[in-house]
Amino acid sequence: AQSVTQLDSQVPVFEEAPVELRCNYSSSVSVYLFWYVQYPNQGLQLLLKYLSGSTLVKGINGFEAEFNKSQTSFHLRKPSVHISDTAEYFCAALYSGGYQKVTFGTGTKLQVIP
Amino acid sequence: SQTIHQWPATLVQPVGSPLSLECTVEGTSNPNLYWYRQAAGRGLQLLFYSVGIGQISSEVPQNLSASRPQDRQFILSSKKLLLSDSGFYLCAWARGQGFTDTQYFGPGTRLTVL
Repeated sequence: AQSVTQLDSQVPVFEEAPVELRCNYSSSVSVYLFWYVQYPNQGLQLLLKYLSGSTLVKGINGFEAEFNKSQTSFHLRKPSVHISDTAEYFCAALYSGGYQKVTFGTGTKLQVIP
Repeated sequence: SQTIHQWPATLVQPVGSPLSLECTVEGTSNPNLYWYRQAAGRGLQLLFYSVGIGQISSEVPQNLSASRPQDRQFILSSKKLLLSDSGFYLCAWARGQGFTDTQYFGPGTRLTVL
């Protein structure tokens, strides 16, 4: 079965420190990958997505992610976090032939400590 | 521009009561529509999706149902709520063609079943 794994349920990090949120997906011939952010009591907002081409994808709010096919990973990074980055982050995958159904990970709560 | 609305924003219902949550999309036609449930610590669970009027696919067998009476309207219902139905319900839309389209989420409905 297709799956997306986010091993870290919570990640605390000090303000202005770098952060990496991990995401692994089940291997597939064709997969498209997304990162979404959810602020408290709000819907999800797209941060970035990988469809094809360059494996390093830049998104909004200074985030970027790298698609690594050999390791089936799509980790999210930011070199310096702000308090406003405190939110829950979801990795998601759209597998070819999945009839446009996106599989979400269980989410990682990023807590930025002042 | 496209917008997606959900209402109500919050709802408290007794066990055994009926449920109706509504989602509408503006500014696009023939979208794919999705209902997700987000329970504490469990990430996002796809409940239903629809590729057109009257076309509903169920992902998880349960006491919930969905309907799409109009192109841009998606309704989530239940005849009798269970305690386990509590959660944050998110509606999303995506353009109808291709596998690479981003899903855009509504603001969500917080449902508490007592």
